[in-house]
Amino acid sequence: GAGVSQSPRYKVAKRGQDVALRCDPISGHVSLFWYQQALGQGPEFLTYFQNEAQLDKSGLPSDRFFAERPEGSVSTLKIQRTQQEDSAVYLCASSLGTSGGPQETQYFGPGTRLLVL
Amino acid sequence: KQEVTQIPAALSVPEGENLVLNCSFTDSAIYNLQWFRQDPGKGLTSLLLIQSSQREQTSGRLNASLDKSSGRSTLYIAASQPGDSATYLCAAWVGSGGSNYKLTFGKGTLLTVNP
Repeated sequence: GAGVSQSPRYKVAKRGQDVALRCDPISGHVSLFWYQQALGQGPEFLTYFQNEAQLDKSGLPSDRFFAERPEGSVSTLKIQRTQQEDSAVYLCASSLGTSGGPQETQYFGPGTRLLVL
Repeated sequence: KQEVTQIPAALSVPEGENLVLNCSFTDSAIYNLQWFRQDPGKGLTSLLLIQSSQREQTSGRLNASLDKSSGRSTLYIAASQPGDSATYLCAAWVGSGGSNYKLTFGKGTLLTVNP
């Protein structure tokens, strides 16, 4: 595709529900990142994949958060038993190479805005 | 832990004005520093990346500088236009190699350019 796409764009969940957020990276991009952006804040790193391998999940705030990328392309971020503090925009980004580091440009998707009531 | 602060939080200027956005970071051991633009409902777009060995980068009307010793970066926008209205985010790359690199973002500066 032309860029990184995310779905759904908006999600309203009742507290305690499970949600799944999808990210379609740019075709051929090896590295994939998830970020959480609370209202009025900058994005915060959640997790990083290189192909299907989750190399860094140090930013996941709790064990209710789980991410996967089983075939090395599409990724899903799952949040179990959602809480009000999970309300945020969840951004996905991809980059071409394997370093996942500052030498490569990250391309961001439009984000999924999650509201937990 | 690296912390990135951006001042001001919001800025409103008339069209044509030159302006400066400020960013400071607590740990000078950054790898690179990057400026992004975020439009409502859209993802982030990278504007400029300054490597740690560089002092500035320029792209069109944008100029970003980096002073690692003082922990500061500035984004200068010349001859501002209404289309420049957006949130500008500063982010520091920190890490020690391999898969350890991470972007640490500031909260952003919301810029409004009035026609």
